[in-house]
Amino acid sequence: DAGITQSPRHKVTETGTPVTLRCHQTENHRYMYWYRQDPGHGLRLIHYSYGVKDTDKGEVSDGYSVSRSKTEDFLLTLESATSSQTSVYFCAIGDRGPSNQPQHFGDGTRLSIL
Amino acid sequence: SQQGEEDPQALSIQEGENATMNCSYKTSINNLQWYRQNSGRGLVHLILIRSNEREKHSGRLRVTLDTSKKSSSLLITASRAADTASYFCATDGRSGNTPLVFGKGTRLSVIA
Repeated sequence: DAGITQSPRHKVTETGTPVTLRCHQTENHRYMYWYRQDPGHGLRLIHYSYGVKDTDKGEVSDGYSVSRSKTEDFLLTLESATSSQTSVYFCAIGDRGPSNQPQHFGDGTRLSIL
Repeated sequence: SQQGEEDPQALSIQEGENATMNCSYKTSINNLQWYRQNSGRGLVHLILIRSNEREKHSGRLRVTLDTSKKSSSLLITASRAADTASYFCATDGRSGNTPLVFGKGTRLSVIA
């Protein structure tokens, strides 16, 4: 399996609190992605990065920010968590452009916002 | 959005039977990919088929692509209980640099 670690794996927090999820890779891949997975919606892209300090928005970016200060780490921050952000969050990595290479996924972070 | 849509949403078969899942998409693509997700785990890449390919095989998997109909199918032959999972198609943009868009998946149950 590709070396991807997501932390934490589970988190319960309250509405209005800030939350940061971390994705760490040991593959030196250029591309990193954050998705959320919800019943009835499948997998939706939140933000992605195509290099250190280079990020772009995905389909459902409102309420989320990201940072990538090192190749190996991609952080997803919920500035003020809302109940609608309760979801399972997946990080993925890829070596080349999105359509030229398979993406490798972490095992997810289950986030519950009460 | 050029989201792929899988069909059926759920499929239940006996071990040893073949399973076929379909994916339809809306706009021109560069490539189409299929992924599997076991319960509680991340997605695992199965196969990538390019827009100029019509069929591709990988072990017990056979993927077809019909760009004129904007559709793809994933066939799993001689299914096993371990094939029980959700299967997703993912499409890209014509430029090749557009992030993948995933469908909602087909839940496959293989009964021993």
